[in-house]
Amino acid sequence: QVQLVQSGTEVVKPGASVKVSCRTSGFTFIHYAVHWLRQAPGQRLDWMGWINSGNGDTKYSQDFQGRVTLSRDTSATTAFMEVSGLTSEDTAVYYCARVTDGYIDSWGQGTLVVVSS
Amino acid sequence: SYALTQPPSLSVAPGKTARISCGGDNVRTKTVHWYKQRPGQTPVLVMYYGTDRPSGIPERFSGSNSGNTATLTISGVEAGDEADYYCQVWDDITDHVVFGGGTKLTVL
Repeated sequence: QVQLVQSGTEVVKPGASVKVSCRTSGFTFIHYAVHWLRQAPGQRLDWMGWINSGNGDTKYSQDFQGRVTLSRDTSATTAFMEVSGLTSEDTAVYYCARVTDGYIDSWGQGTLVVVSS
Repeated sequence: SYALTQPPSLSVAPGKTARISCGGDNVRTKTVHWYKQRPGQTPVLVMYYGTDRPSGIPERFSGSNSGNTATLTISGVEAGDEADYYCQVWDDITDHVVFGGGTKLTVL
């Protein structure tokens, strides 16, 4: 079955960067886009961007443009999301997700990123 | 950029009907999807293509879309329906996913 398995909790210092992985299985990776979202504690879902797993093209939300980099490793069927210049406001659960025909049909389990000195 | 607006909260007694709205400019021209999220859990798709229910979602859940408002309707509300609900569309001008701000459904 379709699975997206994310890397574990990260605790990072302000100003640092973090890279989260999303290992996929159960479907043909290069035929789908992987999207990234985040949810700060008690807050709404925020869409961050997506990567075309086939050709590597990316699209970013204006809210994250310039601070987020999406990449993928097709041989490992894994997508990555890196955020730089972290502040306490970036403390959140980060999700990867597979989108089919405009809706999310599969989610990763989420990765908690805590930004703290 | 395109935006979706949801009421922050809605309270409904058990057995009654909950109608969760999702407003957007001419949203009727877009395909709206809905997700349910309980505290500490990953969101779950409850409605796609506006009116289609994924397997496992009860018939009590239905969707509609007209004018500037899409609606998720939950009939015979149960305690297990208490959650945050998000609407979502694909903005084909920007190729971005757009979420509403979410509605917290409380079952009284």
